[in-house]
Amino acid sequence: NAGVTQTPKFQVLKTGQSMTLQCAQDMNHEYMSWYRQDPGMGLRLIHYSVGAGITDQGEVPNGYNVSRSTTEDFPLRLLSAAPSQTSVYFCASSSGPYNEQFFGPGTRLTVL
Amino acid sequence: RKEVEQDPGPFNVPEGATVAFNCTYSNSASQSFFWYRQDCRKEPKLLMSVYSSGNEDGRFTAQLNRASQYISLLIRDSKLSDSATYLCVVRASGNTPLVFGKGTRLSVIA
Repeated sequence: NAGVTQTPKFQVLKTGQSMTLQCAQDMNHEYMSWYRQDPGMGLRLIHYSVGAGITDQGEVPNGYNVSRSTTEDFPLRLLSAAPSQTSVYFCASSSGPYNEQFFGPGTRLTVL
Repeated sequence: RKEVEQDPGPFNVPEGATVAFNCTYSNSASQSFFWYRQDCRKEPKLLMSVYSSGNEDGRFTAQLNRASQYISLLIRDSKLSDSATYLCVVRASGNTPLVFGKGTRLSVIA
């Protein structure tokens, strides 16, 4: 199993550009989440999903969209990138609400 | 009051030392508790779950105090490889998302 994979590993964007961060898992997990991690702020939840077709907002959803058309994939879309979205983004999945959450290796995004 | 609070450290300890971290949580309805470990520029990984009766995994012991709403992590006989950031994680119930503390940085020195 590859576990949770994320692409790209690094990305530089200009203000106003849009892009999609990809996340996939091959563990048949229902639960998937997107976090951003900034220095001194810890991990903050952006959006999450408890199954295909179901998504919900986390603590910091503004400026981001998600969809969950399959169990395996949970892409995160930045609609119009801003410098405040410079961060490290982690995708995570788990088989249930009380089970271990597995993280992907992260995407380091810089918005100029 | 933040949902999950941790002392950011850093805790600088010599090899072989015993070190303890505490974490407090504000939601008294919280039901699930975990410690995750994050190495520099890596993703977080589960270190251990925390059970009501306390639990041990080798050199690591986790305890939960529901009355005072805190959990603790004790590391005995610290190794250089224990150097990392330790994240306290809490879940209220059911499908509610995990809430992460900001982490406590540990540096074990030779």
